[in-house]
Amino acid sequence: KAGVTQTPRYLIKTRGQQVTLSCSPISGHRSVSWYQQTPGQGLQFLFEYFSETQRNKGNFPGRFSGRQFSNSRSEMNVSTLELGDSALYLCASSLDFTSGAYEQYFGPGTRLTVT
Amino acid sequence: DQQVKQNSPSLSVQEGRISILNCDYTNSMFDYFLWYKKYPAEGPTFLISISSIKDKNEDGRFTVFLNKSAKHLSLHIVPSQPGDSAVYFCAARSKTSYDKVIFGPGTSLSVIP
Repeated sequence: KAGVTQTPRYLIKTRGQQVTLSCSPISGHRSVSWYQQTPGQGLQFLFEYFSETQRNKGNFPGRFSGRQFSNSRSEMNVSTLELGDSALYLCASSLDFTSGAYEQYFGPGTRLTVT
Repeated sequence: DQQVKQNSPSLSVQEGRISILNCDYTNSMFDYFLWYKKYPAEGPTFLISISSIKDKNEDGRFTVFLNKSAKHLSLHIVPSQPGDSAVYFCAARSKTSYDKVIFGPGTSLSVIP
């Protein structure tokens, strides 16, 4: 079974621009979560989607948004980029927790650099 | 307010010895805990988990212990191998919000040959 894929792997943007990151979950997984990883901060939860609906959201400004498509693929968008948005963005998929499957499977991440 | 804490940013252990990684949490609604391992340039990979109804879960060289009264869990790796060198993240789910996972800041483990 193919793992979680994220595109692009690396991205360089300038302040004020916007960016869209893409995530394809493992086949059959309907839950997709996004995280931001910065040095010393661990993984900060951005949001989680299930069946095209956002079920939960972390403490990030409205510039961070996402969506999920009917095939469970997900995108996240960051508008008006700031230098502090430079980070590794990780996507994780899982079976829905109602099935008792709580572990997530992560993609390799997209390294975003804002200059 | 960090709900999941890993107070040791780094740990060095000799090959063959035991590695003990610690994690503390503050939210009493957490009832499911997970450990992930992360190598550079890769996403985290699931290692082992434990439900709050248990106090121990074992999988090969990896054992997780949970002390609910102290809101503390630990991951034991025995024996440690050089390939175990990675960043280890402790994570928790809340019974009121299973779709949101809270991660700790991670502990970088170095296993010295």
